[in-house]
Amino acid sequence: KQEVTQIPAALSVPEGENLVLNCSFTDSAIYNLQWFRQDPGKGLTSLLLIQSSQREQTSGRLNASLDKSSGRSTLYIAASQPGDSATYLCAVQGGSEKLVFGKGTKLTVNP
Amino acid sequence: SQTIHQWPATLVQPVGSPLSLECTVEGTSNPNLYWYRQAAGRGLQLLFYSVGIGQISSEVPQNLSASRPQDRQFILSSKKLLLSDSGFYLCAWSNTGTSRYEQYFGPGTRLTVT
Repeated sequence: KQEVTQIPAALSVPEGENLVLNCSFTDSAIYNLQWFRQDPGKGLTSLLLIQSSQREQTSGRLNASLDKSSGRSTLYIAASQPGDSATYLCAVQGGSEKLVFGKGTKLTVNP
Repeated sequence: SQTIHQWPATLVQPVGSPLSLECTVEGTSNPNLYWYRQAAGRGLQLLFYSVGIGQISSEVPQNLSASRPQDRQFILSSKKLLLSDSGFYLCAWSNTGTSRYEQYFGPGTRLTVT
């Protein structure tokens, strides 16, 4: 059974800092890994999707890496801003339609 | 561009009452559709998914059911709500034909069962 863990559960940083969010999964047989952002009381916004054959994806100040063999992914946020404050969720997709989610990392960027 | 709608945005229902949540997608045809639930302190859990009209797969045994009466409409229902049904319900869609595409989520429905 696939399990996804995100560490830390919460993170508070000053504005301008570079930061890394971690995601690990137990079954390396995945099709893709997706990072989402969730603002309080809102739905999920897709940030980046990494196919199993890829090592990383970049979008603006965000960079996500994938090491499938070790079951790990990281989301790197450069030059963090208060507007980046949200919960970040990692999800993996295996051999079915099912996305398995971690519980998220709640990020607070302080001005 | 594609958009996904959910309603209602919030709902407060007594235990034992029925439930109907609706999700519609615009700007795409024959999408895969999904219902997830996000309970307090827990991760998102897939409840149902559909790869076509009338085709529903259930992931978790519960007192909920789903239906897809039209290509871009997905409905989550219950005949009698339980307290444990409280949570944030999210609908999502992805391109059809493969499971390897991104899933896109709607704004969600906050359900409180009292």
